[in-house]
Amino acid sequence: EPEVTQTPSHQVTQMGQEVILRCVPISNHLYFYWYRQILGQKVEFLVSFYNNEISEKSEIFDDQFSVERPDGSNFTLKIRSTKLEDSAMYFCASTLQIVLYEQYFGPGTRLTVT
Amino acid sequence: AQKITQTQPGMFVQEKEAVTLDCTYDTSDPSYGLFWYKQPSSGEMIFLIYQGSYDQQNATEGRYSLNFQKARKSANLVISASQLGDSAMYFCAMSEEATSYDKVIFGPGTSLSVIP
Repeated sequence: EPEVTQTPSHQVTQMGQEVILRCVPISNHLYFYWYRQILGQKVEFLVSFYNNEISEKSEIFDDQFSVERPDGSNFTLKIRSTKLEDSAMYFCASTLQIVLYEQYFGPGTRLTVT
Repeated sequence: AQKITQTQPGMFVQEKEAVTLDCTYDTSDPSYGLFWYKQPSSGEMIFLIYQGSYDQQNATEGRYSLNFQKARKSANLVISASQLGDSAMYFCAMSEEATSYDKVIFGPGTSLSVIP
């Protein structure tokens, strides 16, 4: 069964450093998402991406964040200058259609900012 | 205001018993979708079941069913014949036509523990 993959599974970085989290969505999916989950808390929407542009973003997704689909398979989340409060699990998700279809989640990348 | 409310932070159920996890939602959008996801201790998010706002019947998927009461704005998840592997966090979520169904809002989750 096709699945969303994410690398790395765990990333440790120092405050102020840039990080890039990588995702490979399911190959025929068209809509891509990033979510984050601070330890023990709920899953929070960050951004959605379709047709090579952001379609929705939350208030969390400020100028420190950017997303890109650099080629036909990868979907990346960049945090330009990490803060301690960026420490969280970051989930990538994808779906074929957005109208009331489930999103398929990747296994997540745990980001630890020290 | 919270869009999705899950009032039970933790629940216990005896193996083989049924359990209901509560979810209420807040929207003025006539068209929306409701989802339940399971997150085991390993951390991945597993889709369980979906209910559309215009669906006439309650959704069912194997041992999972969604008790959809539109007027009350509730979408409770019922797990029948609980198994030890059902122990996990369960998140209720919603997407709305107002955001092109593009933004899924999650509730705070309910931690379910199945007791042998």
